Amino acid sequence: EPEVTQTPSHQVTQMGQEVILRCVPISNHLYFYWYRQILGQKVEFLVSFYNNEISEKSEIFDDQFSVERPDGSNFTLKIRSTKLEDSAMYFCAASRGEETQYFGPGTRLLVL
Amino acid sequence: GENVEQHPSTLSVQEGDSAVIKCTYSDSASNYFPWYKQELGKRPQLIIDIRSNVGEKKDQRIAVTLNKTAKHFSLHITETQPEDSAVYFCAALETSYDKVIFGPGTSLSVIP
Repeated sequence: EPEVTQTPSHQVTQMGQEVILRCVPISNHLYFYWYRQILGQKVEFLVSFYNNEISEKSEIFDDQFSVERPDGSNFTLKIRSTKLEDSAMYFCAASRGEETQYFGPGTRLLVL
Repeated sequence: GENVEQHPSTLSVQEGDSAVIKCTYSDSASNYFPWYKQELGKRPQLIIDIRSNVGEKKDQRIAVTLNKTAKHFSLHITETQPEDSAVYFCAALETSYDKVIFGPGTSLSVIP
């Protein structure tokens, strides 16, 4: 299976702080996604991104969230002012525009 | 939007027996249905997928069936092994929104 990588693997932050989660998608996989998974729950869609713009976002993805691809390789998710309920595992995924999405190993975010 | 239901939420089988997980979806426009296996603390990994122009697909001990009319699909694992123990998620792709909607998951335990 193609490899998507994510950094950091773990992030602990104080409530109200900004965090940036990073993803390096697979080369020639140009469709990018962020999902989150609260402990013990299902994987939830946050946002999809193609051609340097958001193509779809969920109701979870409010004004506190943003995504960008600053340097043509990394794909980032920023949470501007973290809340306790943002604590979750965040997965990046990539696809070639076909249906199959490949997930990264995730970043475990803990907001204190 | 799409909604995916999944049953059972937990399933225990004896090693060597078969396991069946069933899912339903709501949006008749969905046409791609992946199954992911997630081991504790790890990423969801695609194990098999099926497209709506196919009724059944098999890959070694794993098979998936799709009934488009009834809007349900199932995962069948034969000759289960302890390493099959994991959480299994069914999912449906909302083609108009390019996002994967996950079911709530089934925790499968294979007892040696």
